[in-house]
Amino acid sequence: NAGVTQTPKFQVLKTGQSMTLQCAQDMNHNSMYWYRQDPGMGLRLIYYSASEGTTDKGEVPNGYNVSRLNKREFSLRLESAAPSQTSVYFCASSLRGSQPQHFGDGTRLSIL
Amino acid sequence: RKEVEQDPGPFNVPEGATVAFNCTYSNSASQSFFWYRQDCRKEPKLLMSVYSSGNEDGRFTAQLNRASQYISLLIRDSKLSDSATYLCVVNGRGGDYKLSFGAGTTVTVRA
Repeated sequence: NAGVTQTPKFQVLKTGQSMTLQCAQDMNHNSMYWYRQDPGMGLRLIYYSASEGTTDKGEVPNGYNVSRLNKREFSLRLESAAPSQTSVYFCASSLRGSQPQHFGDGTRLSIL
Repeated sequence: RKEVEQDPGPFNVPEGATVAFNCTYSNSASQSFFWYRQDCRKEPKLLMSVYSSGNEDGRFTAQLNRASQYISLLIRDSKLSDSATYLCVVNGRGGDYKLSFGAGTTVTVRA
């Protein structure tokens, strides 16, 4: 009954370091998403994958890359972390784009 | 103009009260509408979908007004456990896989 699983839950990085956030879903969903959430702001879409094998930019893609590894997994990579990327990152999935999205419990990322 | 706008609140209400708030959206072609609930430092969770004719789920009632491009959420007989931020969510037509999230309306229910 896992739903959407994100790892790690917490991470502290130094400016310029790289890291990959992992996301996996076990609901056989076609679409997956990465969001960031900053205080006082709504969720902002970074990248999404409408189906296995496709990825597209969202509202705030700069500084990030993604990989849809297979139907279950969708990773987000920060190549050279910057303090402006300090945020809470949520992965989500949905059966298809018009359906409600189910969220993981987030990764709290701090970049010093 | 933001795609989805919400009154941030907070709405402070006593237990047992009724509270209602709206959300406006800019894309007249939007086809799917949802309310999510987000507790402090937690992930958003689907509260309910919003249908054209309006719908209820227990103490929660959602309405859609396409002409004025807003949706509403009403909570009856508020419980302490209803304290949360409520996110209005809208998506586009057909193949648009991008949901637009409002920044949320905070509701605090006091004893």
